[in-house]
Amino acid sequence: GQQLNQSPQSMFIQEGEDVSMNCTSSSIFNTWLWYKQDPGEGPVLLIALYKAGELTSNGRLTAQFGITRKDSFLNISASIPSDVGIYFCAGQPIFNAGGTSYGKLTFGQGTILTVHP
Amino acid sequence: EAQVTQNPRYLITVTGKKLTVTCSQNMNHEYMSWYRQDPGLGLRQIYYSMNVEVTDKGDVPEGYKVSRKEKRNFPLILESPSPNQTSLYFCASRGSRLPDTQYFGPGTRLTVL
Repeated sequence: GQQLNQSPQSMFIQEGEDVSMNCTSSSIFNTWLWYKQDPGEGPVLLIALYKAGELTSNGRLTAQFGITRKDSFLNISASIPSDVGIYFCAGQPIFNAGGTSYGKLTFGQGTILTVHP
Repeated sequence: EAQVTQNPRYLITVTGKKLTVTCSQNMNHEYMSWYRQDPGLGLRQIYYSMNVEVTDKGDVPEGYKVSRKEKRNFPLILESPSPNQTSLYFCASRGSRLPDTQYFGPGTRLTVL
């Protein structure tokens, strides 16, 4: 099946620093999604990207859909302690004629973020 | 309140003993999915459903079954659990319109001895 490579696997940063993580794929995706998972919880959607080249912000978070449709990155500016968690990218394949591929999502391995006060 | 509920939250069982993990959503979403989360592997999709009576395999469907008889419910069935199915399982539901919304349940931690 399709695979997503997410990097880095983990990051240890000081409060106030900026963070950058990315995902690359061996195949094209129609949609890129970024999630955050807090300890003991399910993932929560942060940002959704639908067009190649699209740049979208959500507060201190900025994500971009790569031009080739095979990559995406997420930036967090001025990190704070509550940014701690696991961040996942997820890609949705090209729609087929019946649209059934809309339900299929492939996730990256996750980036574990630790923020030191 | 929009939510996805899963039961049970924790389960310890033995090899070969059939079990069902229930999932229910109250948002009238068309799409529902099951994932398993293992360290270093992220979330891997087991099965997904596009609507009632319509399901399809994800990336790791072996050893699992699902059904979608009602729009709100999407149970995950392990007919004969094995130790390699010890994992953290998440159910999720997703609407069919933009902007994208996908809600995850709180997770079910399954241990198969």
